[in-house]
Amino acid sequence: GNSVTQMEGPVTLSEEAFLTINCTYTATGYPSLFWYVQYPGEGLQLLLKATKADDKGSNKGFEATYRKETTSFHLEKGSVQVSDSAVYFCALNNAGGTSYGKLTFGQGTILTVHP
Amino acid sequence: EAEVAQSPRYKITEKSQAVAFWCDPISGHATLYWYRQILGQGPELLVQFQDESVVDDSQLPKDRFSAERLKGVDSTLKIQPAELGDSAMYLCASSYPTGTSGRISYEQYFGPGTRLTVT
Repeated sequence: GNSVTQMEGPVTLSEEAFLTINCTYTATGYPSLFWYVQYPGEGLQLLLKATKADDKGSNKGFEATYRKETTSFHLEKGSVQVSDSAVYFCALNNAGGTSYGKLTFGQGTILTVHP
Repeated sequence: EAEVAQSPRYKITEKSQAVAFWCDPISGHATLYWYRQILGQGPELLVQFQDESVVDDSQLPKDRFSAERLKGVDSTLKIQPAELGDSAMYLCASSYPTGTSGRISYEQYFGPGTRLTVT
């Protein structure tokens, strides 16, 4: 079955520091990969996605590259801000058959950015 | 911008009582999902609808949970009776297919969730 493993948190950084959150996956076929962000008390927001190998998803300064050879989708940002403090989830889905995009999530990584 | 609506946002109930959550997906989204998110964990799928039909309810505790989407639009998730272990965030999402045949992807949009506390 599908599974997603994220680096354990929490991650605490100073403003303008470089961020990496590791994500690796196990899946059959050719999944699509996603990063979602969840701010306190809110639902999940799609941050970025990649649908095939070597695709790079990017949004709001965040980037992640779909690496099929290492089954990874690490999230990076060159300079974090206090407003980036949130929980980040890596996820995948397979669109084949009747799965209709069912998402499998990692456990989430808490990011706290200090001024 | 269209959003997924959920109500209520917060619900406190006593164990053994019944509770229901409502979700209105983005217009035109045929696929609707209910997830349960326990504090400190990632969401887990409870049930998935394609239009009015259930396509995956393998993780739904069917002895106490039920879900319906009668007209293929909005949906209701019910718990009866509620147990202490049901305390969690219940998230609804909807999606539509993008891409071309062979590389179809489903981009899910989430509602704000319902925070359930069972006492």
